[in-house]
Amino acid sequence: SQTIHQWPATLVQPVGSPLSLECTVEGTSNPNLYWYRQAAGRGLQLLFYSVGIGQISSEVPQNLSASRPQDRQFILSSKKLLLSDSGFYLCAWGEGQATGVTGELFFGEGSRLTVL
Amino acid sequence: SQKIEQNSEALNIQEGKTATLTCNYTNYSPAYLQWYRQDPGRGPVFLLLIRENEKEKRKERLKVTFDTTLKQSLFHITASQPADSATYLCAERAGNMLTFGGGTRLMVKP
Repeated sequence: SQTIHQWPATLVQPVGSPLSLECTVEGTSNPNLYWYRQAAGRGLQLLFYSVGIGQISSEVPQNLSASRPQDRQFILSSKKLLLSDSGFYLCAWGEGQATGVTGELFFGEGSRLTVL
Repeated sequence: SQKIEQNSEALNIQEGKTATLTCNYTNYSPAYLQWYRQDPGRGPVFLLLIRENEKEKRKERLKVTFDTTLKQSLFHITASQPADSATYLCAERAGNMLTFGGGTRLMVKP
């Protein structure tokens, strides 16, 4: 069966420090991978998605970047964190767009980032 | 651009009653809409999907409807239980992107 792992679960970082959140998927190949951010009491904002190694689409201009160095690994990074980067970050995977694919996403447990 | 809108106010109902949550879209009719459940501090979990050409879809105590005239999907939980308390999100998939509404928090009181 497929599993998704995301870490770290919680982190507190000072303003201006770097960030690296990692996500890996097991049990599937060539998944679509996604990073979402959720502010407190709000919905999910799509940050990045990737349909293959090295292919990254950015949905929101921001202080963050994403990379996909391997098929089932997705990394969210920042060189210098801002206060506004605080939030709940969720990684997700889904099957590619294909006939019969219903397109649901499977989410990790999330990483809660507090920037002070 | 397409927006997915859900009532941001919490819905409080009594155990045993039917909970009805609303999801509206503003522009084109999605090929299908998805519904997710999210518990505090956790990632969303997929519940149901309904296609544009389907009027209704059921799964155990859950029912989803899709009305393209009203540009709306309704999500029903019958015989609600306190364990159903959570935030429910609807989402539209367009290509490789999944766009979520803001979610509605449901509180079922015993």
